[in-house]
Amino acid sequence: GESVGLHLPTLSVQEGDNSIINCAYSNSASDYFIWYKQESGKGPQFIIDIRSNMDKRQGQRVTVLLNKTVKHLSLQIAATQPGDSAVYFCAETTNDYKLSFGAGTTVTVRA
Amino acid sequence: NAGVTQTPKFQVLKTGQSMTLQCAQDMNHNSMYWYRQDPGMGLRLIYYSASEGTTDKGEVPNGYNVSRLNKREFSLRLESAAPSQTSVYFCASSEALPASSYNSPLHFGNGTRLTVT
Repeated sequence: GESVGLHLPTLSVQEGDNSIINCAYSNSASDYFIWYKQESGKGPQFIIDIRSNMDKRQGQRVTVLLNKTVKHLSLQIAATQPGDSAVYFCAETTNDYKLSFGAGTTVTVRA
Repeated sequence: NAGVTQTPKFQVLKTGQSMTLQCAQDMNHNSMYWYRQDPGMGLRLIYYSASEGTTDKGEVPNGYNVSRLNKREFSLRLESAAPSQTSVYFCASSEALPASSYNSPLHFGNGTRLTVT
């Protein structure tokens, strides 16, 4: 079936190191992918998106990689900071109107 | 910019009571959505409105109704609340539906935390 999942529910990272958050998806027809960050008590915040005709896209301190061959999406955060501690969700379009979200990865930054 | 504003932030209802969750966006977006978030289940779509004047069911619409009041506002109504509707409710908006011809990420509000006893 259609599902979006994250490989690991938790990730602990040393401040200043790079973080890599992984996501596997099952719908080979998915065309659009988004990463969100959710801090405690807040709504999901858009980080970066990528279309299926691309394999890499960079933002400010973040890079999203898309490997359609193995249906894998990753979010790389450079020089992780304490403010990066949050739950990260990947989402994919499964049809015209719907984004399917994974259960999330909780990132904890150690000082 | 305020972005997406939801009211109330918190609400406690007794089983069988009704209430309306309000949502407004100031980004001139065409599409609006209601999601619920439960522990370990991610976000699930309840209803959406592709454009002003239209509403459609998502994956978990039972027990809910919606109204797209105008381009800015999209409300969610619980007619007879049940404990299974205890959740955090998020409203979101986007320029167009996510699979449209240009990138259109959803922008979320900060949620309404609803408890039904």
